[in-house]
Amino acid sequence: AQTVTQSQPEMSVQEAETVTLSCTYDTSESDYYLFWYKQPPSRQMILVIRQEAYKQQNATENRFSVNFQKAAKSFSLKISDSQLGDAAMYFCAYRRHQGGSEKLVFGKGTKLTVNP
Amino acid sequence: GAGVSQSPSNKVTEKGKDVELRCDPISGHTALYWYRQSLGQGLEFLIYFQGNSAPDKSGLPSDRFSAERTGGSVSTLTIQRTQQEDSAVYLCASSLSRAGREAFFGQGTRLTVV
Repeated sequence: AQTVTQSQPEMSVQEAETVTLSCTYDTSESDYYLFWYKQPPSRQMILVIRQEAYKQQNATENRFSVNFQKAAKSFSLKISDSQLGDAAMYFCAYRRHQGGSEKLVFGKGTKLTVNP
Repeated sequence: GAGVSQSPSNKVTEKGKDVELRCDPISGHTALYWYRQSLGQGLEFLIYFQGNSAPDKSGLPSDRFSAERTGGSVSTLTIQRTQQEDSAVYLCASSLSRAGREAFFGQGTRLTVV
């Protein structure tokens, strides 16, 4: 079974600084997708960024980028120029590409605090 | 509607009662998920529907939990004989069929069993 591990229950960063959130996963699949979701206090889950496993290039969305290391099964999220609105729970998620159940499997999350 | 809609937003029920939670997915989304999120915890997978295929029920914690999806659209999660440990936020999400597509989440139903 696929598992997703986020080893940092909580992280903090100063406004305008950079922070990296860690995620590792376990799978025997070769083709899959990885996601980072953000959950602010409103409870609304919002997609931050996605990565396709067959693409070697790391995904980037404005201030958010990933460091995808397929061999190490690592998928970390880097937030640059942190803003107060980035404060939230961040969840890493895995979904297999095809065949069988394509359920999203989530890590336990990292609570990010942004200090002014 | 434009997004995934869940109702009710909040539900308080007495231990032993049955509850039904509703999810209206985004129109055209063939995949639908239910997750449970206990206070300060991650998302626990419950069940996954994909089109007309048999649902993946591997995450349902006990036979008190069941879910159905009628006409490939609206889904109902039913919890029978509720227990205090069932108290949590229940999140529904939907997506297009391809695995790389984003899953859109509703705002959840906060269930409190007293």
